[in-house]
Amino acid sequence: SAVISQKPSRDICQRGTSLTIQCQVDSQVTMMFWYRQQPGQSLTLIATANQGSEATYESGFVIDKFPISRPNLTFSTLTVSNMSPEDSSIYLCSVEVRFQLPTYNEQFFGPGTRLTVL
Amino acid sequence: EDKVVQSPLSLVVHEGDTVTLNCSYEVTNFRSLLWYKQEKKAPTFLFMLTSSGIEKKSGRLSSILDKKELFSILNITATQTGDSAIYLCGGSNYKLTFGKGTLLTVNP
Repeated sequence: SAVISQKPSRDICQRGTSLTIQCQVDSQVTMMFWYRQQPGQSLTLIATANQGSEATYESGFVIDKFPISRPNLTFSTLTVSNMSPEDSSIYLCSVEVRFQLPTYNEQFFGPGTRLTVL
Repeated sequence: EDKVVQSPLSLVVHEGDTVTLNCSYEVTNFRSLLWYKQEKKAPTFLFMLTSSGIEKKSGRLSSILDKKELFSILNITATQTGDSAIYLCGGSNYKLTFGKGTLLTVNP
C-alpha cells in the first residue's frame, strides 16, 4: 500500500484568499489525483496531476481556479484560488499503486483537507 | 459521461442484520470496480473487483461483480455499530467515478 499525508488537515479561510494543499506519498507513484467532496456529496475528480507536465482537468474545473503542481513522483500540491464559500469541501489526494504478480492496481486516499471558506 | 449509481442512498438496520448495497455503473473502457468505506474524511479501501462472478471476502464483508449487467453488490453480514459509515462505489478506467454513496447506520 501507500502512505499518503496531506497538509493542512483543515483550515478556515476568508473569501478571496487562496490556499495550497500539499500531498506527500511515501513511494514513487505514477498516477496522482485530486478529488473534492462537498458537504453531503460524493467524491468528484478535479484533475489528474501529471509529473513534469500540466495537470489534466475534468469538466467543470479549470487551471486558474485549481492550479496543480507535480514536481516529482512523490509530491503534489493543489491550490484553491480566490476562494468563495462554495469551495468549502474536503479535498483529497489519491494515488494509484500498481502491484505485480498478480498484476492489479489499487487506489488509495490521503487523509483529506477540510476547508471552510467564510 | 461515466456514471455510477448506488442504492439505497441510506439504510438503517439493527446490529446483527445482513445488508446488501448495490452499485450499477456505466464507465467507458471499464477496468475495475472499487468499494470504499468512509467514516470521517478519507475513504478506506475495501475491495477491487475486475472479474465477473468471483466473490471477494474480508471477514463479514463480501462483494461480487457482474460485468454483463454492469452491477456490483457489497454484502455485510452480522452488522455491528462500527460498520456505520458511508460506503462508496467507484468505477475505474484510469480514473475513478464515484457514486453518491450509501449511508449505513447500524443501531445497537
